[in-house]
Amino acid sequence: GENVEQHPSTLSVQEGDSAVIKCTYSDSASNYFPWYKQELGKGPQLIIDIRSNVGEKKDQRIAVTLNKTAKHFSLHITETQPEDSAVYFCAASRTGNQFYFGTGTSLTVIP
Amino acid sequence: DAGITQSPRHKVTETGTPVTLRCHQTENHRYMYWYRQDPGHGLRLIHYSYGVKDTDKGEVSDGYSVSRSKTEDFLLTLESATSSQTSVYFCATNLGQGTSYNSPLHFGNGTRLTVT
Repeated sequence: GENVEQHPSTLSVQEGDSAVIKCTYSDSASNYFPWYKQELGKGPQLIIDIRSNVGEKKDQRIAVTLNKTAKHFSLHITETQPEDSAVYFCAASRTGNQFYFGTGTSLTVIP
Repeated sequence: DAGITQSPRHKVTETGTPVTLRCHQTENHRYMYWYRQDPGHGLRLIHYSYGVKDTDKGEVSDGYSVSRSKTEDFLLTLESATSSQTSVYFCATNLGQGTSYNSPLHFGNGTRLTVT
């Protein structure tokens, strides 16, 4: 099956700086890559996703890039704010009913 | 999100007792999933359902069973709880499969289960 690795496991940044979280996947047939944000005591919430026919996608301060050849994708958060502090998960899927998740990155934005 | 309600939100039970967790959705999504979340492991799929009475195993299905008698309800049962099943359990739903289009998962807020 698919194996998704996520780095770093923890990340601290100053407010206003950028944060980057990276994931690699093993199954070249994976074609859908969502990112989730999880706040304490809540379930993961989708923040952005990208499909394999696209190399980059942006939504305000959040962007995701995909390199299919190298089998890695990254989440970029610019102008970080304290409310960005949370655990972020990447995932990969090729069937739409089997999602494989990374182990999570705990992001702390220091005011 | 997607009107997913999990119950109970917290439960403490003893080793060897049966436990049932409930997931209820109001979005009429075809697919429903049970995941467990543990430190260092991310989210791992236990079982999923692709329709009423249609279920399949995930990567960590041992010790768990599921049932789906209605589109909106998906039950996860631990027949005889063990300490290794102490975890946070999340229900998720999505529209379903298709190699040309994948829809994102929508998650409930979880059930924290402690087996003593």
